[in-house]
Amino acid sequence: EAQVTQNPRYLITVTGKKLTVTCSQNMNHEYMSWYRQDPGLGLRQIYYSMNVEVTDKGDVPEGYKVSRKEKRNFPLILESPSPNQTSLYFCASRQGGGPQHFGDGTRLSIL
Amino acid sequence: GEDVEQSLFLSVREGDSSVINCTYTDSSSTYLYWYKQEPGAGLQLLTYIFSNMDMKQDQRLTVLLNKKDKHLSLRIADTQTGDSAIYFCAEIPGSGNTGKLIFGQGTTLQVKP
Repeated sequence: EAQVTQNPRYLITVTGKKLTVTCSQNMNHEYMSWYRQDPGLGLRQIYYSMNVEVTDKGDVPEGYKVSRKEKRNFPLILESPSPNQTSLYFCASRQGGGPQHFGDGTRLSIL
Repeated sequence: GEDVEQSLFLSVREGDSSVINCTYTDSSSTYLYWYKQEPGAGLQLLTYIFSNMDMKQDQRLTVLLNKKDKHLSLRIADTQTGDSAIYFCAEIPGSGNTGKLIFGQGTTLQVKP
């Protein structure tokens, strides 16, 4: 089954404790992205990747890192999380201009 | 810069038609999408339209694109309570050969029985 898998689905942690949210897709898609969703703001793109070792900043990259060492994986790293990064995060992938496939989301709470 | 705008809320009665509107700023956008998000769930692709099309129909869904006004709409015929959700429009700016995808704020559709 074609899918985008994110882990964990829920995480509560404390300020400053490094965390990684993993994302994996099994569709051999070139493009992968991370978004955060906040009430009234819709989805805002954090980072995106057009292929292995090619990443670029989206609209809200501050405080986040990503890597794309393999085509299928695109982890999101918060080196020193802060409360303003409490949000719902989505990973997505697509091929060319085709539709974006989304993961089920990761709800992150930073205390 | 690129921007996508939607109204935040729409309320209709069951059986009526719903029309959700979206405006965008990038006139070179090639692909435009509508996504649905039910409470507590991820985003589900509803439909999409290429910029060289004016209209696309898919069962109860009709997408209209006015490129001159940079206006996109989603019409849901015979709206049901199961259609209650947040609807997002989104665009890939430019030629489409980019990882960027820009979303509107989302329109919450409330369907009253």
